[in-house]
Amino acid sequence: GENVEQHPSTLSVQEGDSAVIKCTYSDSASNYFPWYKQELGKRPQLIIDIRSNVGEKKDQRIAVTLNKTAKHFSLHITETQPEDSAVYFCAANPYSTGFQKLVFGTGTRLLVSP
Amino acid sequence: GAVVSQHPSRVICKSGTSVKIECRSLDFQATTMFWYRQFPKQSLMLMATSNEGSKATYEQGVEKDKFLINHASLTLSTLTVTSAHPEDSSFYICSARAGGASGGNEQFFGPGTRLTVL
Repeated sequence: GENVEQHPSTLSVQEGDSAVIKCTYSDSASNYFPWYKQELGKRPQLIIDIRSNVGEKKDQRIAVTLNKTAKHFSLHITETQPEDSAVYFCAANPYSTGFQKLVFGTGTRLLVSP
Repeated sequence: GAVVSQHPSRVICKSGTSVKIECRSLDFQATTMFWYRQFPKQSLMLMATSNEGSKATYEQGVEKDKFLINHASLTLSTLTVTSAHPEDSSFYICSARAGGASGGNEQFFGPGTRLTVL
């Protein structure tokens, strides 16, 4: 089945710095890669996603890049702010489930210090 | 955006009792809903996939007789934890996926239910 690995597990940055979180996936047929932000005790919120027919997508301070050949995708947050502090999860949709399900990475705890 | 509600947000129960959690899609029809469990500082683990009008599909290792799932309408799925034990204490989160040809891969999550079994 699909395996999604996520690094790093924790990331501490100063306000204004950039943060990069990386994920790799195993199922080359996966075609949808969302990123979720989860604050403590809250629901995961979709912040950006990318499909396999594009290599990069940007939404203000957030961008996602996808390398299908290498089977990895990354989340880039620029000009980080303290309110960006949260746990971020990547996910992929494996072909083996008819693309219905999402397999999540292990999460990255981002801490942005003022 | 799509809104998913979940009720209750918190529940405390005694060991051996059953607890029902409701998941509703408020502004769209969800042909498929998913139930996840999340332990502290861990990722979301899929428990089962619920399709409207059919039996749920459970992930390996999840006891279907213990975690009863019903998806009776396009806007409501329920998870019943039967004979709950302390090890069932966790954060249970549902998500919903829009159906039909226009439905994408996006899953919209409910706010979660914190279950504590004493």
